[in-house]
Amino acid sequence: QSVLTQPPSVSGAPGQRVVISCTGTTSNIGTGYDVHWYQQLPGTAPKLLIYENTNRPSGVPDRFSGSRSGTSASLAITGLQAEDEADYYCHSYDSGLRGSVFGSGTKVTVL
Amino acid sequence: QVQLQQWGAGLLKPSETLSLTCGVFGGSLSDHYWSWIRQSPGSGLEWIGEIHSSGRTYFDPSLKSRLTISLDTSKNQFSLRLSSVTAADTAIYYCARGRGVIGRFFDHWGRGTLVTVSS
Repeated sequence: QSVLTQPPSVSGAPGQRVVISCTGTTSNIGTGYDVHWYQQLPGTAPKLLIYENTNRPSGVPDRFSGSRSGTSASLAITGLQAEDEADYYCHSYDSGLRGSVFGSGTKVTVL
Repeated sequence: QVQLQQWGAGLLKPSETLSLTCGVFGGSLSDHYWSWIRQSPGSGLEWIGEIHSSGRTYFDPSLKSRLTISLDTSKNQFSLRLSSVTAADTAIYYCARGRGVIGRFFDHWGRGTLVTVSS
């Protein structure tokens, strides 16, 4: 069972905005540890999408944005495109486990 | 551009030792953390452990007793050994580079190695 909780799936029509939540506890996100997000296309390795809550690596479209508040974080995708169909994972640090923890993953479907 | 290439045995019997190596190309091991992450079939990501270029290691507590992560700076590569494997260790294993101090993020990943444990 994952330490960080995400909805199993979200969906939206092309052009719409979808938001993926990532809920943690006071031993990880709630302590102020940064949250990062990864996109995993089918059959491929995860790819860094957002780091340190809000930052996009070079080459990631600005349609992707991240935020963090309290014990939760969110990833928003605006102007949804067919190529955004993938699994998305949040990631943070847990002081109790003294290591990285991942979310359970969210499958994004473009209708 | 940093690239991680990984290799190792993909089929093991229960009680054997899993051994994987990750080569770092286009960059140095220095001043970074180097992690192993796995993904069971149809499941999410699980952090296994990491090693800093100084040699300091950090492990998932549930795997710590079976786990070894090491560096070979002369070959610019790092390795994973997981002993006494069972079917529960069947997964795709990824190597990755970690950046940051606490709450590191993984900016470069290997392609993954499917490891199957079966008698």
